[in-house]
Amino acid sequence: GAVVSQHPSRVICKSGTSVKIECRSLDFQATTMFWYRQFPKKSLMLMATSNEGSKATYEQGVEKDKFLINHASLTLSTLTVTSAHPEDSSFYICSAPRGGGEQFFGPGTRLTVL
Amino acid sequence: QKEVEQDPGPLSVPEGAIVSLNCTYSNSAFQYFMWYRQYSRKGPELLMYTYSSGNKEDGRFTAQVDKSSKYISLFIRDSQPSDSATYLCAMSALSGTYKYIFGTGTRLKVLA
Repeated sequence: GAVVSQHPSRVICKSGTSVKIECRSLDFQATTMFWYRQFPKKSLMLMATSNEGSKATYEQGVEKDKFLINHASLTLSTLTVTSAHPEDSSFYICSAPRGGGEQFFGPGTRLTVL
Repeated sequence: QKEVEQDPGPLSVPEGAIVSLNCTYSNSAFQYFMWYRQYSRKGPELLMYTYSSGNKEDGRFTAQVDKSSKYISLFIRDSQPSDSATYLCAMSALSGTYKYIFGTGTRLKVLA
């Protein structure tokens, strides 16, 4: 089946630093990828849609300058949390839809900002 | 009213029971329906994918879609303790954007 990977799986950083999270579709190309945030025992909150070759589309309330998204190729999207603060600590998950409509998720990245 | 409603649970059942998980939705344009299983601190895993109405079976799992009632279900037969997880429903309109709306998830506990 389709596989989506994320790196790193876990990151701990100091407040004020920037953190980059990579999302890769391993066996299919994805012109669109999605970035979600999930709080403990809560559902997925869509943050933005990453579009290959064009700007990302952000959901209402999500700061574009805070969460920078770059969709550099048909298999790679990156999310950079800039000047991270403790309130940015969360579980970040990416997903990529395959041509048939199915959407596959990465394993997630747990960010802890001290 | 939320676009997708799902009972958060938790739902506790004994091992071997048949589990029924459900979601209701309000947008009649939804055409793609999915069920995901998510273990704690892991990404969601696609279990079932259904287009339009009808039933789909895969091993111990059966997905049902009733578009007339705007109601989808996931049945798990012979439930096992390893099935204990959060189950998320997701759906999308035939828009080509693949932007999915997720339910809040139902926490399932299968007791040995």
